[in-house]
Amino acid sequence: EAQVTQNPRYLITVTGKKLTVTCSQNMNHEYMSWYRQDPGLGLRQIYYSMNVEVTDKGDVPEGYKVSRKEKRNFPLILESPSPNQTSLYFCASSPALAGGPNEQFFGPGTRLTVL
Amino acid sequence: GENVEQHPSTLSVQEGDSAVIKCTYSDSASNYFPWYKQELGKRPQLIIDIRSNVGEKKDQRIAVTLNKTAKHFSLHITETQPEDSAVYFCAAKGAAGNKLTFGGGTRVLVKP
Repeated sequence: EAQVTQNPRYLITVTGKKLTVTCSQNMNHEYMSWYRQDPGLGLRQIYYSMNVEVTDKGDVPEGYKVSRKEKRNFPLILESPSPNQTSLYFCASSPALAGGPNEQFFGPGTRLTVL
Repeated sequence: GENVEQHPSTLSVQEGDSAVIKCTYSDSASNYFPWYKQELGKRPQLIIDIRSNVGEKKDQRIAVTLNKTAKHFSLHITETQPEDSAVYFCAAKGAAGNKLTFGGGTRVLVKP
């Protein structure tokens, strides 16, 4: 089954404790992206990757890191989480037509709470 | 960068009526405009999209119109049903072609 998976689905942590949210897709998509969803603010892009070893900042990259060592995986790293990073996070993948994203296939989401 | 504004933020309609959601974008070179539907507790899913070389696209009860001159596009849902209740997001792909910018979302409630 074609899908995007994320783990964990729910996470409660404390300020400053490093964490990683994993994302994996099995559709051989070139483009992968991380979004955070907050009430009234829609989906805001954190980082994206056009292909292996190619990553770039989205609109709200502060406090986050990513890596793209393999085509299927795109982990999101919070080196020192803070309460303002409490949010619902979505990973998405897309075939890259003309170099950019097209239909985004979203993962199930990760609800993160930082105390 | 691209800026997308979406209105209204909430919309309540009677079952069978039409619903219209409007979005404006800032980058005149944007060329791809998708709409996503997110049901409660679920992930966003694409329901329809339009490219800048087309003015209108329909899929059953859903249609999207694009006005490039005015830099706005709209989602039209006809004969609304309770299962249309969800949050809808518009998005635009900017000139650089490497990212999607989403609107703030519209919560649609269809009352039976």
